[in-house]
Amino acid sequence: AQSVSQHNHHVILSEAASLELGCNYSYGGTVNLFWYVQYPGQHLQLLLKYFSGDPLVKGIKGFEAEFIKSKFSFNLRKPSVQWSDTAEYFCAVRPDSGGYQKVTFGTGTKLQVIP
Amino acid sequence: GAVVSQHPSRVICKSGTSVKIECRSLDFQATTMFWYRQFPKQSLMLMATSNEGSKATYEQGVEKDKFLINHASLTLSTLTVTSAHPEDSSFYICSASGGIEAFFGQGTRLTVV
Repeated sequence: AQSVSQHNHHVILSEAASLELGCNYSYGGTVNLFWYVQYPGQHLQLLLKYFSGDPLVKGIKGFEAEFIKSKFSFNLRKPSVQWSDTAEYFCAVRPDSGGYQKVTFGTGTKLQVIP
Repeated sequence: GAVVSQHPSRVICKSGTSVKIECRSLDFQATTMFWYRQFPKQSLMLMATSNEGSKATYEQGVEKDKFLINHASLTLSTLTVTSAHPEDSSFYICSASGGIEAFFGQGTRLTVV
């Protein structure tokens, strides 16, 4: 079975600082990878996803993530955060074996951006 | 993205009563729906997977008689927490998929008093 590890539980940054949230997964086969965001009081939204192709994936709101297969990592980055990026971020992995397979989530990282 | 509506967003119930949570896909047909539970400071834990018209598949450790799931149509799934106890208090989230991608509802905060 797959698993996901997010190293940072709570991150506090000042506006304009750069962001990198770590995500590592364990699974022996091909995977699809996701980052979701949950703004306060709102539902989960997809930030970006990786299925295949270019390992550098660009998502909404200036976020990007890089899939490094050798490191089993899919870290999320943003060059300059804004106060509105305050939210909880979840990394998720799903086996790429046809049909809709179970998605496994990391424990989440709470990002607090200070104006 | 597609819209998944979950209702209610918050519910408080007395211990021993049952609570039903609805999950609707508003603009697509959801052949598969997923129910998650999120504990404070923890990840989303998959409780069960349901395909329209068939019985739900429960994850290990989830009591199927306590968490009744019905997926009677391609746009509606319900989760009923039966004989709720304070330890059932949690955030429940549904997810619906009509193909490869899944979309999430806004979640339901259940408090059992």
